[in-house]
Amino acid sequence: EPEVTQTPSHQVTQMGQEVILRCVPISNHLYFYWYRQILGQKVEFLVSFYNNEISEKSEIFDDQFSVERPDGSNFTLKIRSTKLEDSAMYFCASSEGQFPGLTGELFFGEGSRLTVL
Amino acid sequence: AQKVTQAQTEISVVEKEDVTLDCVYETRDTTYYLFWYKQPPSGELVFLIRRNSFDEQNEISGRYSWNFQKSTSSFNFTITASQVVDSAVYFCALSELLYNNNDMRFGAGTRLTVKP
Repeated sequence: EPEVTQTPSHQVTQMGQEVILRCVPISNHLYFYWYRQILGQKVEFLVSFYNNEISEKSEIFDDQFSVERPDGSNFTLKIRSTKLEDSAMYFCASSEGQFPGLTGELFFGEGSRLTVL
Repeated sequence: AQKVTQAQTEISVVEKEDVTLDCVYETRDTTYYLFWYKQPPSGELVFLIRRNSFDEQNEISGRYSWNFQKSTSSFNFTITASQVVDSAVYFCALSELLYNNNDMRFGAGTRLTVKP
């Protein structure tokens, strides 16, 4: 069964460093998303992406964050200068059509755990 | 604004007990979608169910059942004859069609522990 894959599964970085989290969405999906879950807390929406541009973003997604689809398969989340509070699990998701619309669900990857020291 | 409340932070039951996880939502949209996800200790998010606001039929899938009541803005989840493998954090989520339609809002989650 097709799935969303994310790399790395865990990354440890020093505060102030740049981090890139990578995702390979399901191949025929057109909409892509990043969500974040700080340890023990709720899952929060960061950004959605369609047709090579951001569709929607939350207040969490400030200038330190950016997303990109550098080629036909990868979808990346970049954090320019990491802060301690960026430590979280980052989930990538994709959907075939515009969510929630006619599509049944978002397909989530297994997450990338980011630890900022 | 859309909002999901899962008042039960943690529930602990003994295997074979039935357990109901509560979910109450707020929305200004007339068309919206409700979801339940399971997050086992391994951390991934596992989709369980999607329900749209026009379909109030309750659903049963094996030991899982869902009770959607628009009158009380609730979408509760019941596990019958719980098993140790059901131990996980369960999230209820809401997405509106017209407002913030890319944004699925999650509740804070309920941590279910099923003891043998």
